[in-house]
Amino acid sequence: QVQLQESGPGLVKPSETLSLTCSVSGGSISSYYWTWIRQPPGKGLEWIGSIYYSGRTNFNPSLKSRVTISLDTSKNQFSLTLNSLTAADTAVYYCARGRSGLGGWFDPWGQGALVTVSS
Amino acid sequence: SYVLTQPPSVSVAPGQTARITCGGNNIGAKTVHWYQQKPGQAPVLVVYSDDDRPSGIPERFSGSNSGNTATLTINRVEAGDEADYSCQVWDSTSGYVFGTGTQVTVL
Repeated sequence: QVQLQESGPGLVKPSETLSLTCSVSGGSISSYYWTWIRQPPGKGLEWIGSIYYSGRTNFNPSLKSRVTISLDTSKNQFSLTLNSLTAADTAVYYCARGRSGLGGWFDPWGQGALVTVSS
Repeated sequence: SYVLTQPPSVSVAPGQTARITCGGNNIGAKTVHWYQQKPGQAPVLVVYSDDDRPSGIPERFSGSNSGNTATLTINRVEAGDEADYSCQVWDSTSGYVFGTGTQVTVL
C-alpha cells in the first residue's frame, strides 16, 4: 500500500523560505494528484496546492504568490517551497495523494511535519 | 471564496447516533468527502463522494448531501469514534475547501 512521509526543518526564521519533501513508497508517483495541506495548531485544515504527475499545478489563491510545488519522479518524491514566512505559517504540514482527478478526495496522508516559524 | 460551516462540537452517548453537518451554498451540487482525525494523528478518509466508504471503514459511517447541507452519520457510536471530523469539497474558484471541523465527544 502507498505510504507518504514528510521531511524538512522543524524550525524556520521569519522572512525565510520553507522547503519540505514528501517521499512516496509502495507505489509510483507517476499518476494521481499530489497535494500539500497544512493545519495551524488548534485550527482546521487548509489546502496549499496540488501537482499532477504531468507537472500541472493548482494553488490556494491565498497562498499562490508564495508557493512552489515540484515533482521528482526519479526519486518518487514531491516538494513544497513556501517563501516570506511569518508566524501565521506555523503549522503541521501534511502531504497526501489526491484521488479521482482534480476535485476528488485525499487518501492516504503522511503523518505530518510540524513547522514552527520563529526567530 | 467558498465556505463550509460545521458545528464546533457534537456530544453523543455510546450506542446512539451522531450526526455532523457541513453547510455550504448549494453544497448538494458538489461532491463531499469526510475525514476523521484523532489527536496527534493525520486525517483518515471515512466517506468519499458523498456516501461511499473506503475499505476498512465500518458500515456505521454513512454520508448524505442535499441542498445546502451535507451530513456525516455515525450509527451505534463507540468510544473509539471520538475525534475531529472535517468535510471537504472542490470549488472552481477556491480550490479544495475544508470545513471548520467538528469535535465529537462520546459521553
